[in-house]
Amino acid sequence: NAGVTQTPKFQVLKTGQSMTLQCAQDMNHNSMYWYRQDPGMGLRLIYYSASEGTTDKGEVPNGYNVSRLNKREFSLRLESAAPSQTSVYFCASRFARERGTEAFFGQGTRLTVV
Amino acid sequence: TQLLEQSPQFLSIQEGENLTVYCNSSSVFSSLQWYRQEPGEGPVLLVTVVTGGEVKKLKRLTFQFGDARKDSSLHITAAQPGDTGLYLCAATPGSGNTGKLIFGQGTTLQVKP
Repeated sequence: NAGVTQTPKFQVLKTGQSMTLQCAQDMNHNSMYWYRQDPGMGLRLIYYSASEGTTDKGEVPNGYNVSRLNKREFSLRLESAAPSQTSVYFCASRFARERGTEAFFGQGTRLTVV
Repeated sequence: TQLLEQSPQFLSIQEGENLTVYCNSSSVFSSLQWYRQEPGEGPVLLVTVVTGGEVKKLKRLTFQFGDARKDSSLHITAAQPGDTGLYLCAATPGSGNTGKLIFGQGTTLQVKP
């Protein structure tokens, strides 16, 4: 029962470095999401992919890029990391063809940019 | 500015007390969800409401969706220490289903024994 798998779980980057966060789901969901969580800010949507082949900006897309590689995988790339991108990142997926379907989350990636 | 405004942001109460958490917006939503998150974990769904005026109960938790589908509340009766956690409301903006899912800033609940 893997569900949503994110890698890595922890990462420390230097300012200006790049990295890609990986996310894979095995539930045949059509929609996938990337969020960041900062203290007191809840979850803020970075990018989402409503279906394979499409991606859309969320609430805080600046400084990030995404790739929906196939139905299972949705990656988040930081091209030039900044300290303001220090956060916990969550990937989620759901079957979003009906209203109000449950989103399933990965365990999160704790990213620190120094 | 958050599209979904939750209040209060932090709540610390004694075991046995009742509490209500609110999720408000000026926008209409096709559905609204409540999630609970524990430290080090991703959020987990508690309930989904899709019809204006809908009320759902989950043991000691009562969820209500506003008639105009712009707001929701979560009421906990006789809170227990196991209820401690971060409560998040989430919604799909608009009246259709675009796939987009946004969250409020969360309410941190601490229930002291």
